[in-house]
Amino acid sequence: GAVVSQHPSWVICKSGTSVKIECRSLDFQATTMFWYRQFPKQSLMLMATSNEGSKATYEQGVEKDKFLINHASLTLSTLTVTSAHPEDSSFYICSATHRNQPQHFGDGTRLSIL
Amino acid sequence: DAKTTQPTSMDCAEGRAANLPCNHSTISGNEYVYWYRQIHSQGPQYIIHGLKNNETNEMASLIITEDRKSSTLILPHATLRDTAVYYCIVRLLNAGKSTFGDGTTLTVKP
Repeated sequence: GAVVSQHPSWVICKSGTSVKIECRSLDFQATTMFWYRQFPKQSLMLMATSNEGSKATYEQGVEKDKFLINHASLTLSTLTVTSAHPEDSSFYICSATHRNQPQHFGDGTRLSIL
Repeated sequence: DAKTTQPTSMDCAEGRAANLPCNHSTISGNEYVYWYRQIHSQGPQYIIHGLKNNETNEMASLIITEDRKSSTLILPHATLRDTAVYYCIVRLLNAGKSTFGDGTTLTVKP
């Protein structure tokens, strides 16, 4: 089946630093990738949608200058949390899809900002 | 995307069938029903999807009512590893993104 790899799986960093999370589709070309955020005991919230070679579309309330998304190829998208603060601590999950196929998700990145 | 309603939680005995319901009374004619599950601290896992016919794969069966206003995901022989939050999502085939509700927490008990 379709495999989506997310790296790192867990990161702790100091407040004010930037953190980059990678999302790769390993066995298919992802025409579209998505980034979600999940707080404890809550459901997944879509942050942004990115198509290869074009700018990401952000959901309402998500700061595009804080959460930088790059989708440089059909197999790689990155999310950079800039100047991270404790309130940005969360579980970040990417997913990828090819045309009309179901979304497949990575295993998530647990981000803790001290 | 059509809104879905699922019970907050359900229990199931190990080895028995788990039947998870989902109401989607406002579904439009070309929207599909998708099911995902999320095991604790992992990303969601795709299970199955369908339009109007019943579907079966190696993981589960999906039963969609004739009026398409509700559906049931069936795990035929639940195991402890099936304990997870199950999400029912209704969307267009080419919509790409999925909007997650609160899902049903299924607990499989020995």
